Amino acid sequence: GENVEQHPSTLSVQEGDSAVIKCTYSDSASNYFPWYKQELGKRPQLIIDIRSNVGEKKDQRIAVTLNKTAKHFSLHITETQPEDSAVYFCAASITAGGSYIPTFGRGTSLIVHP
Amino acid sequence: DTAVSQTPKYLVTQMGNDKSIKCEQNLGHDTMYWYKQDSKKFLKIMFSYNNKELIINETVPNRFSPKSPDKAHLNLHINSLELGDSAVYFCASSQEAGYGYTFGSGTRLTVV
Repeated sequence: GENVEQHPSTLSVQEGDSAVIKCTYSDSASNYFPWYKQELGKRPQLIIDIRSNVGEKKDQRIAVTLNKTAKHFSLHITETQPEDSAVYFCAASITAGGSYIPTFGRGTSLIVHP
Repeated sequence: DTAVSQTPKYLVTQMGNDKSIKCEQNLGHDTMYWYKQDSKKFLKIMFSYNNKELIINETVPNRFSPKSPDKAHLNLHINSLELGDSAVYFCASSQEAGYGYTFGSGTRLTVV
């Protein structure tokens, strides 16, 4: 089955810095890669996703890049703010004809210091 | 309107009891899921239910059983609760199988 590795497990940055979280996946058939943000005591929320036919996607201060050859994808947050502090999860799944259940990474705890 | 709602939000119960957690989604999504989040925040898939097709994670004990009366509901029933079942349980749904989830607010289960 699919295996998703996520690094780092903890990331501490100063407000205004950039943050990068990286994930690798094992199944080359995976074609959908979402990212979720979970604030303390809250539910995970989808913040951005990318499909395998796209190399990069941006939404304001958040961007995701995908390297299918190397089987890794990354979340980039620019100009970090204290409210970005949360646990971030990557996931990989095979849609349409596959097992369609995403496999999640183990999460990255991002701490943004004011 | 809450898109994916779970009840109860908190559940404290004794070992050996049987309990249920309810989940309802009003998004018209085709697929629903149950996840268990342990103390280390790992999200582990338990079940996926799509068009009456149930996919079970083989590592889930058979004390756990999902019940779906219709497309908008996927309830979780747990028999003979054990201490190790203590966790936060999230229901989720997606418009298409495998695509972005909308999670419920979670149910914190504590077994004493």
